[in-house]
Amino acid sequence: GENVEQHPSTLSVQEGDSAVIKCTYSDSASNYFPWYKQELGKGPQLIIDIRSNVGEKKDQRIAVTLNKTAKHFSLHITETQPEDSAVYFCAASNYGGSQGNLIFGKGTKLSVKP
Amino acid sequence: ETGVTQTPRHLVMGMTNKKSLKCEQHLGHNAMYWYKQSAKKPLELMFVYSLEERVENNSVPSRFSPECPNSSHLFLHLHTLQPEDSALYLCASSQDGRGGPETQYFGPGTRLLVL
Repeated sequence: GENVEQHPSTLSVQEGDSAVIKCTYSDSASNYFPWYKQELGKGPQLIIDIRSNVGEKKDQRIAVTLNKTAKHFSLHITETQPEDSAVYFCAASNYGGSQGNLIFGKGTKLSVKP
Repeated sequence: ETGVTQTPRHLVMGMTNKKSLKCEQHLGHNAMYWYKQSAKKPLELMFVYSLEERVENNSVPSRFSPECPNSSHLFLHLHTLQPEDSALYLCASSQDGRGGPETQYFGPGTRLLVL
């Protein structure tokens, strides 16, 4: 079955710097890759997603890149702000295949220092 | 707010107790999910309901029993739990069932402590 590895487990950056979180997946048939942000006391919230027919997607300060050959995808946050501090989860799924459910990484705790 | 509510937000129970977690979605979705979130582990999918029919049960122990009376409500009935079942239980919903690539909207979770 699918396995998703996420690194780093913790990340501390200075406000204004960029943050990058990386994930690798094992199932080459996976075709959907969402990223979730979880703040303290809340459930995960989708912040951006990418499908396997696209290599990069941007939404303001957030971008996701996908390398299907290497089976990895990354989240990039530019001009970080203290409110970006949270736990970020990547996930992968193979919609229409045998592994249609989301498989999550273990999460990255991002701390943005003012 | 995501449109998915969960009650209670916190629950402490003994191993012999019986309790239920409730989830309600106000988004008109047709699929609902239960996840378990433990410290330093990935979110674990427990159950999936699509159009009120259970389509996924990831080998969850029988001490967890789901119920989906309609497309807006989902319950998780708990009985004779173990301390290792202490975790955050998250409910989610989406418009497509079977784990399709539609956004899953999560509730705030129920923090469960089993003594």
